[in-house]
Amino acid sequence: AQKITQTQPGMFVQEKEAVTLDCTYDTSDPSYGLFWYKQPSSGEMIFLIYQGSYDQQNATEGRYSLNFQKARKSANLVISASQLGDSAMYFCAMREGQGGSEKLVFGKGTKLTVNP
Amino acid sequence: DTGVSQNPRHKITKRGQNVTFRCDPISEHNRLYWYRQTLGQGPEFLTYFQNEAQLEKSRLLSDRFSAERPKGSFSTLEIQRTEQGDSAMYLCASSDLGRSYEQYFGPGTRLTVT
Repeated sequence: AQKITQTQPGMFVQEKEAVTLDCTYDTSDPSYGLFWYKQPSSGEMIFLIYQGSYDQQNATEGRYSLNFQKARKSANLVISASQLGDSAMYFCAMREGQGGSEKLVFGKGTKLTVNP
Repeated sequence: DTGVSQNPRHKITKRGQNVTFRCDPISEHNRLYWYRQTLGQGPEFLTYFQNEAQLEKSRLLSDRFSAERPKGSFSTLEIQRTEQGDSAMYLCASSDLGRSYEQYFGPGTRLTVT
């Protein structure tokens, strides 16, 4: 079974509008972390935001926020006020266990295109 | 901080040849990770080091693959007897022990096996 599911292969948004990228996850571990990375066409993975499973509040980093719904096992990324430079692939990832495995498990990604 | 660097950025090799990639992490980052990314997929974990110790290896890392981090600084990933299925982007990342959840990635090495 897939641990991270990103159901939107591609998304389009108008510049200056907000967009939500979906991510659902599957784990039985009570301790885990959820991540979003941006991958522009240059190929480098850029860390955007992190949410720990025990964090009470949704994580925010500038224009990025993570809509964490634990019971639904979803960790959607919200980008506010989209910019042309936001066009890229976006990957959701999970790390299970605290102090255990360090590996990140990634979804297949969503390609975001911001239109002028 | 100069960021994570990887060399070479591109490598084309013939099937059966050996290749070696190098990763230089952010200085003083004691954790270093290798991932592989094929077209249309997210990165897949291969292995990670804490200092010079290799602490975890994926089942993806067949016996043709070997990774080292001899002095706890840079790391090398070697693929012996390359196969066409090895064609992928090989990504390196590093993190600080105190903020291990934040992995910083390098630009990757794109391998093409002909």
